[in-house]
Amino acid sequence: DAGVIQSPRHEVTEMGQEVTLRCKPISGHDYLFWYRQTMMRGLELLIYFNNNVPIDDSGMPEDRFSAKMPNASFSTLKIQPSEPRDSAVYFCASSLRGPNLSNQPQHFGDGTRLSIL
Amino acid sequence: QKEVEQDPGPLSVPEGAIVSLNCTYSNSAFQYFMWYRQYSRKGPELLMYTYSSGNKEDGRFTAQVDKSSKYISLFIRDSQPSDSATYLCAMSFAGNTPLVFGKGTRLSVIA
Repeated sequence: DAGVIQSPRHEVTEMGQEVTLRCKPISGHDYLFWYRQTMMRGLELLIYFNNNVPIDDSGMPEDRFSAKMPNASFSTLKIQPSEPRDSAVYFCASSLRGPNLSNQPQHFGDGTRLSIL
Repeated sequence: QKEVEQDPGPLSVPEGAIVSLNCTYSNSAFQYFMWYRQYSRKGPELLMYTYSSGNKEDGRFTAQVDKSSKYISLFIRDSQPSDSATYLCAMSFAGNTPLVFGKGTRLSVIA
């Protein structure tokens, strides 16, 4: 079975440019999460969606960051304009609501390694 | 104080050793506890997943949760060089809610 697919795997761009990261969740999963991983802060939530609707975006650091989920099989995270401090690994994860509202584990993609020069 | 504390290591052990990894947390409202393994330049891979207090065993891996002490552990028996990775503890308050991660412990198993 295909897991969570992220693209691109690596992105190097100059400060001020627009960056778009993409995620395809596992088919049938109804929750999608965006996390960011840095050496200093570890893995932290940016935003998450349920049934394509944003539920909590309190982790989005600034208005320069935006995320969309136009359909159940695709999400984007956009940074405009980008800054060097945005350099990090960005992960997408998805999960499925289980029976009786039980928690189901999140499955992660392999991330996008972003470098802003 | 960070919500989830985890010793970053690095931890180096000989092949065949028993490895003990642990995390402490401050918020007693956490209900779900997970351990992920992350290889270099890869995403976190789920290893163990538990609800509330207790033990769970899967092959060479055992996860323990002690909610009264706000302490979780992962034990790896008969460690192998392929176990060399960063181990992340994670927890959440309710079903399908965001995970709060420790910063990870880097483990090296030496052949």
